[in-house]
Amino acid sequence: RKEVEQDPGPFNVPEGATVAFNCTYSNSASQSFFWYRQDCRKEPKLLMSVYSSGNEDGRFTAQLNRASQYISLLIRDSKLSDSATYLCVVNTNTGGFKTIFGAGTRLFVKA
Amino acid sequence: DVKVTQSSRYLVKRTGEKVFLECVQDMDHENMFWYRQDPGLGLRLIYFSYDVKMKEKGDIPEGYSVSREKKERFSLILESASTNQTSMYLCASNRRDRGDNEQFFGPGTRLTVL
Repeated sequence: RKEVEQDPGPFNVPEGATVAFNCTYSNSASQSFFWYRQDCRKEPKLLMSVYSSGNEDGRFTAQLNRASQYISLLIRDSKLSDSATYLCVVNTNTGGFKTIFGAGTRLFVKA
Repeated sequence: DVKVTQSSRYLVKRTGEKVFLECVQDMDHENMFWYRQDPGLGLRLIYFSYDVKMKEKGDIPEGYSVSREKKERFSLILESASTNQTSMYLCASNRRDRGDNEQFFGPGTRLTVL
């Protein structure tokens, strides 16, 4: 089983739609969680951190469920510019600090 | 504006050649990382460094070595390139003081080994 798993997609949605991605992680001792965005042929960039209480940044909402070991990203009112790959990232610190990247979920937003 | 730069965007080499990939960051970060990214596998850590002259193996160090002689520069070396090292190579950096902070990535080097 992969340490961090994501549905690769692609998710094809119309503009204005709401779309949600989930990401599961295997290490219950994981400490911090992030969503990165990667545009085609570009480097990953931090989208948002994920806090235990959930957090929102404009149209984006991130949630953490420690009991079920998953994090989620909700995008409301999708824009064409949201088309990208979204990477789930998990930090653990058991026997040494480690950052694990998921393989990513591809999103296409169409007019 | 923070910046991580990599020496080449595209590189084509032949099997058996020695390959150097250079990464430079201007943020005075202690930590630097080398990843490779392949379809369906995500980013996999090759090596990282938390200080000058310090290095630690990541998940897939075989066939690679690294050098960190200056704080701002982290080099990845393929001693004898093989076709299975064809990939996108990404360098990243972040501060040491907190483990949960953002990693800043370079634009990547797409290496093709023929």
